[in-house]
Amino acid sequence: DQQVKQNSPSLSVQEGRISILNCDYTNSMFDYFLWYKKYPAEGPTFLISISSIKDKNEDGRFTVFLNKSAKHLSLHIVPSQPGDSAVYFCAARLYNNNDMRFGAGTRLTVKP
Amino acid sequence: DGGITQSPKYLFRKEGQNVTLSCEQNLNHDAMYWYRQDPGQGLRLIYYSQIVNDFQKGDIAEGYSVSREKKESFPLTVTSAQKNPTAFYLCASSLAGGRLDTQYFGPGTRLTVL
Repeated sequence: DQQVKQNSPSLSVQEGRISILNCDYTNSMFDYFLWYKKYPAEGPTFLISISSIKDKNEDGRFTVFLNKSAKHLSLHIVPSQPGDSAVYFCAARLYNNNDMRFGAGTRLTVKP
Repeated sequence: DGGITQSPKYLFRKEGQNVTLSCEQNLNHDAMYWYRQDPGQGLRLIYYSQIVNDFQKGDIAEGYSVSREKKESFPLTVTSAQKNPTAFYLCASSLAGGRLDTQYFGPGTRLTVL
């Protein structure tokens, strides 16, 4: 039962343009959401997070938007750079639990 | 420099054999985790430990065992009871295991059972 879904396995954008990675979830008890970035042969690294009390969180070129009514979040990268090419995982945490539920990941390729 | 190490990077075993995956961290983190990743799926939690000598089952603990005798180490044993052991295994740690703690991941071990 995949409670966190990333329906696009891959995304390709041109350098300098916006990258938008999407994530949907089914469990309304999730109240904290995270994005991780993974390069080949490395473990995922934390990128940005958002609490369910907010609808937007920004950190430099990265912005995460949360739409609770639609159970949808998205990660925007502006402007995209070739070094952003990686697999991006969306993750969610329950309000009363320590473990995280991960999406399957989206492979982003930023072309120079 | 601080971080999480997993060894080996690639591991091959014959069916029916137990195998232990190593995870060590020098971040002074209290909490450690094991995840499994299969193609087309997200990471799934196998076990986690918030403190030495204590650990909890995750979603897919069957066929796995862990120990937490030292703060720095959280080895995972894949037993012969695990029906589909071939996968990519990731270890992570966090400062105190709190809900908002960031988890830091190791590079992973790819296990192939022949």
